[in-house]
Amino acid sequence: DAGVIQSPRHEVTEMGQEVTLRCKPISGHNSLFWYRQTMMRGLELLIYFNNNVPIDDSGMPEDRFSAKMPNASFSTLKIQPSEPRDSAVYFCASSLGTNEKLFFGSGTQLSVL
Amino acid sequence: QKEVEQDPGPLSVPEGAIVSLNCTYSNSAFQYFMWYRQYSRKGPELLMYTYSSGNKEDGRFTAQVDKSSKYISLFIRDSQPSDSATYLCALDQTGANNLFFGTGTRLTVIP
Repeated sequence: DAGVIQSPRHEVTEMGQEVTLRCKPISGHNSLFWYRQTMMRGLELLIYFNNNVPIDDSGMPEDRFSAKMPNASFSTLKIQPSEPRDSAVYFCASSLGTNEKLFFGSGTQLSVL
Repeated sequence: QKEVEQDPGPLSVPEGAIVSLNCTYSNSAFQYFMWYRQYSRKGPELLMYTYSSGNKEDGRFTAQVDKSSKYISLFIRDSQPSDSATYLCALDQTGANNLFFGTGTRLTVIP
């Protein structure tokens, strides 16, 4: 299995631009999580889906952030408009169920200039 | 106060040393305790998983949970250069993967 696949690995953009991060979970996993990692705050849960339905988005920092999961094999995290304080590593993770082991992707390093 | 506190290090030890990594937490509702290992430019991977208080051993790794003190530890025996990574503790109240992570301790094992 290829594991959780995220794209792009690196994204550099200018303030105000729209950013879309993509995630393909492990086949057969029905729970998907988006995390953000910074030096100051560590790993923070942004949102998670169960069977493609958003269950808890209380970690999404602002309305500028949105996430979708149109089908079981694809999810996006969008930031519009982006700001320099959004610079971080964004991780996607999936699991067989909400109480099963989490598998993380390799992350997207986002830099907003 | 953050939910989970973890000394960021960095921590450098010689090969073969015993390593002790620790986290403290404030919310007594946490029931599930995990340690993740994160190599540079990679995502975290689950290393140890413990439910409630007690010890759990897996090879050179031992996880300890003291709920009365709200203190968890990870011990690495006979540390190897391949153990060089950032170690993150993660806590969960319900087991539903709503994890609260520590900021991580960066460990370097020197050959």
